[in-house]
Amino acid sequence: DAGITQSPRHKVTETGTPVTLRCHQTENHRYMYWYRQDPGHGLRLIHYSYGVKDTDKGEVSDGYSVSRSKTEDFLLTLESATSSQTSVYFCAIDGGQGGYEQYFGPGTRLTVT
Amino acid sequence: AQSVAQPEDQVNVAEGNPLTVKCTYSVSGNPYLFWYVQYPNRGLQFLLKYITGDNLVKGSYGFEAEFNKSQTSFHLKKPSALVSDSALYFCALYSSASKIIFGSGTRLSIRP
Repeated sequence: DAGITQSPRHKVTETGTPVTLRCHQTENHRYMYWYRQDPGHGLRLIHYSYGVKDTDKGEVSDGYSVSRSKTEDFLLTLESATSSQTSVYFCAIDGGQGGYEQYFGPGTRLTVT
Repeated sequence: AQSVAQPEDQVNVAEGNPLTVKCTYSVSGNPYLFWYVQYPNRGLQFLLKYITGDNLVKGSYGFEAEFNKSQTSFHLKKPSALVSDSALYFCALYSSASKIIFGSGTRLSIRP
């Protein structure tokens, strides 16, 4: 999976608790992304980063925050998890020099009860 | 507005037969298009891309895609399907600021 790891791979949490998902890359690529995947919706962009401490919102950013203090790490935080945030979360990185495509991590399955 | 559509939720093909997974797009300007495959409990894997040049693009696992500007389509094809090709396929379109828009996905089922 292109030098991208995600942790944890599975998590069950209760409504109202904070949750942080981690994405780590070894490719030294500039852009990193967080998506969620839900049946019938494909992949939807939550937040993305274009450099250390540089982040921006995607189409479904409400209820999520991100941080990037190092090139290799991109954290996604659910400040107060809700059942609607039960989903599979994928991290991705850009394609590198001249590459418009993205490469994906293995995903984190999050269940909010 | 930029968009990408996959008109079929599911495609069923017999092993050994050719397969086609359809994708149409809408964009102002030249499109950059991609196909991804997702196997169960895995992340998306990049298959191929069209940026410019030859309208027939070859990718991984024997897949190819045909770009048709007049029909605004980018269909994924394979001459002879394998059972192992059964998976979820996503068409995608490069948007602005290094972002990609994904279609809703097509589930490909290859029967032996």
